[in-house]
Amino acid sequence: DAKTTQPNSMESNEEEPVHLPCNHSTISGTDYIHWYRQLPSQGPEYVIHGLTSNVNNRMASLAIAEDRKSSTLILHRATLRDAAVYYCILRPQYNFNKFYFGSGTKLNVKP
Amino acid sequence: DAGITQSPRHKVTETGTPVTLRCHQTENHRYMYWYRQDPGHGLRLIHYSYGVKDTDKGEVSDGYSVSRSKTEDFLLTLESATSSQTSVYFCAIRPTTGRLAEAFFGQGTRLTVV
Repeated sequence: DAKTTQPNSMESNEEEPVHLPCNHSTISGTDYIHWYRQLPSQGPEYVIHGLTSNVNNRMASLAIAEDRKSSTLILHRATLRDAAVYYCILRPQYNFNKFYFGSGTKLNVKP
Repeated sequence: DAGITQSPRHKVTETGTPVTLRCHQTENHRYMYWYRQDPGHGLRLIHYSYGVKDTDKGEVSDGYSVSRSKTEDFLLTLESATSSQTSVYFCAIRPTTGRLAEAFFGQGTRLTVV
């Protein structure tokens, strides 16, 4: 299974943009890139996903490199509530059940 | 709230005793999952189910069994609990129509084996 590499932790100031990187150099052509986050003492929650093109939703944006070997989750204006562990996950195209979480990036947001 | 409830939320048990954790959903989703979360390991898939009486193993299934006799309930059983199974357990559900890519997670069950 393709693996992802994320920094252990990052820090941001409130109301500033945050760019969370993820490296996935062994990604296959049909793997989807998913991002989940886990707030303190809660279960993970879906953030965004994509295949090749950049994606936007109400929570975040996902920028995918042209060679797909890396991606970046963008929070446009970080709030204190965005402090969480962010997981970058690769999922085979037709297998929603191979959904393996790594250690993620712990994002701290300073007021 | 995605209509998913885990019970109990906290449990302390002794080594060697059987333990059953319950995941209940009100969404009628076909897919249900059990994960465990330990410090430094993120979440790891234990077992999953793709329908009533249809289950399969994940990456860390040793020492665990599951059952799904009804669509709404997915049970995780530790036949003889060990200290290495002290962990936080999360249940997840996933729709098969609409928002297929989005799994919804419960609040977790903190299990301590002493």
